Amino acid sequence: KNEVEQSPQNLTAQEGEFITINCSYSVGISALHWLQQHPGGGIVSLFMLSSGKKKHGRLIATINIQEKHSSLHITASHPRDSAVYICAVGGSQGNLIFGKGTKLSVKP
Amino acid sequence: DAGVTQSPTHLIKTRGQQVTLRCSPKSGHDTVSWYQQALGQGPQFIFQYYEEEERQRGNFPDRFSGHQFPNYSSELNVNALLLGDSALYLCASSTLRGPSYEQYFGPGTRLTVT
Repeated sequence: KNEVEQSPQNLTAQEGEFITINCSYSVGISALHWLQQHPGGGIVSLFMLSSGKKKHGRLIATINIQEKHSSLHITASHPRDSAVYICAVGGSQGNLIFGKGTKLSVKP
Repeated sequence: DAGVTQSPTHLIKTRGQQVTLRCSPKSGHDTVSWYQQALGQGPQFIFQYYEEEERQRGNFPDRFSGHQFPNYSSELNVNALLLGDSALYLCASSTLRGPSYEQYFGPGTRLTVT
């Protein structure tokens, strides 16, 4: 079993839909990261959180430390949100353990 | 601020050859981590360098080695290349002096081994 599990693996949505991507982890962590990866490879950090909820524009990330679960929500989705979204958890030493990613495609 | 930079962007090598990839961290960062991302998979941690020493290592063979220079830039070396080493190699920089381990990623080097 992977230490970081994401669901779904693939997600297709219509423009304007509310999107949720889930992440569950089985290890102790100091922080959880949500990352965005576009075709070509570049990774952008969206959120780093260790408790509660963070919001940035149309993106919202939540984490429940007791349940070892996090969600990434996208409100009013847009085709430019199409990308792979990756959940990663950080140990106390700073290395990251990644999920396999969720490939999101938003259709106009 | 140029952010994290990596070179080269793409590289094609033959089995058995050796390769060196380079990374310059974001200004103010002193720690460099290297990750390997195979096609369709999430990145896997290779190792992390801090103060010119390997601080932590993932489950990769000794063929994978690295170096960090006094200016905090870093190199990843892979010897005796195998077809399975074909992947996107990502470098991320951070600082251990701050309260968090937020990592900033470079654009990656895509290595193809034929």
